[in-house]
Amino acid sequence: SQKIEQNSEALNIQEGKTATLTCNYTNYSPAYLQWYRQDPGRGPVFLLLIRENEKEKRKERLKVTFDTTLKQSLFHITASQPADSATYLCALSSGSARQLTFGSGTQLTVLP
Amino acid sequence: SAVISQKPSRDICQRGTSLTIQCQVDSQVTMMFWYRQQPGQSLTLIATANQGSEATYESGFVIDKFPISRPNLTFSTLTVSNMSPEDSSIYLCSVAEGQGLGQYFGPGTRLLVL
Repeated sequence: SQKIEQNSEALNIQEGKTATLTCNYTNYSPAYLQWYRQDPGRGPVFLLLIRENEKEKRKERLKVTFDTTLKQSLFHITASQPADSATYLCALSSGSARQLTFGSGTQLTVLP
Repeated sequence: SAVISQKPSRDICQRGTSLTIQCQVDSQVTMMFWYRQQPGQSLTLIATANQGSEATYESGFVIDKFPISRPNLTFSTLTVSNMSPEDSSIYLCSVAEGQGLGQYFGPGTRLLVL
């Protein structure tokens, strides 16, 4: 069955450092991989989407890589700030379908 | 990006009753989805709400338990029927504006069943 694993339930880092979150998947050939941010009591907020034929995508302090051979995506937040503290979710979708399958999420805490 | 609202934002219901959750989008969208997020868990897709036809349900979810309406391109409802405490969860609607684009989520409806 399809499985999506995010590296850890919780990650604590110091302000100013780069946070790196991992998303691994099995039994899936996604056309798109997406990252979302979720704050307590709120719906997820879309951050970045990367296609299967793309290796890397950037948006401001965010960078996503996608390795379809390793079946892995890395999500980086550079120069992290306490305001970046949230749960980050990766999600996959196949070519024709827009339905998303979500990972369990990583709770990031950036310490001042 | 689309702006999505949900009603109610939260509710406490008795076992055996039903609750209808509304999802309103500020623009016409093709694809609308309903998700469930159980306490401490990630999101699980319940169904895709199709305008003008029956919803498409994911494995483990059935129409009798979660009937969905989609009367137009800006509105959908999800009903949680014959509720039990196991239905206590956050229910979220989302929209996709196009293939290869991210989804936009409503704020969620927090449901507690006693």
